[in-house]
Amino acid sequence: QKEVEQNSGPLSVPEGAIASLNCTYSDRGSQSFFWYRQYSGKSPELIMFIYSNGDKEDGRFTAQLNKASQYVSLLIRDSQPSDSATYLCAAHSGGSQGNLIFGKGTKLSVKP
Amino acid sequence: GAGVSQTPSNKVTEKGKYVELRCDPISGHTALYWYRQSLGQGPEFLIYFQGTGAADDSGLPNDRFFAVRPEGSVSTLKIQRTERGDSAVYLCASSSRTRVETQYFGPGTRLLVL
Repeated sequence: QKEVEQNSGPLSVPEGAIASLNCTYSDRGSQSFFWYRQYSGKSPELIMFIYSNGDKEDGRFTAQLNKASQYVSLLIRDSQPSDSATYLCAAHSGGSQGNLIFGKGTKLSVKP
Repeated sequence: GAGVSQTPSNKVTEKGKYVELRCDPISGHTALYWYRQSLGQGPEFLIYFQGTGAADDSGLPNDRFFAVRPEGSVSTLKIQRTERGDSAVYLCASSSRTRVETQYFGPGTRLLVL
């Protein structure tokens, strides 16, 4: 069974700190990986995706992928209270299979 | 441009009733997905359309669930003989043909079966 695992948290960081969110996946055939942010009562919002090993930076966000270790992470620099949300990691197997496999999400709380 | 839209935003029904949930994808997106999200869980895949046809319906939990996309745009998820366990947020997502994996979600329909 294909799985994506995340620590449910909550992860609490002070404002201005770096928040580090981690995710592991079971399917070695997974090709691409996504981070979604979900505010309470809202739907998931795509914030980052990564296909290649290494780092990908977008503003305050950096996604990291290590396919050998089957590990994906998201770093949020200069965390703000508005970053407080649940962060969902998702994997896609590529090919004709359309669906994403989601983790349960990590709840992040940024304290002012 | 407009994002994915879903109606209704909330639906309360009684056990045993039939419900329809509607999704209108981003204009030009050929791929459409239905997911279901329960409290404290990540979205769980139900069905995937590429154009008018269901490319993968392996996530539908049983034959009470059915979805259509007759013209390759709007999709309707249909649930017959609803059960209390069907209560969840039903999410629709869409993506382009060239980036099938990059999926954008609608606001969801919160279904409550009493």
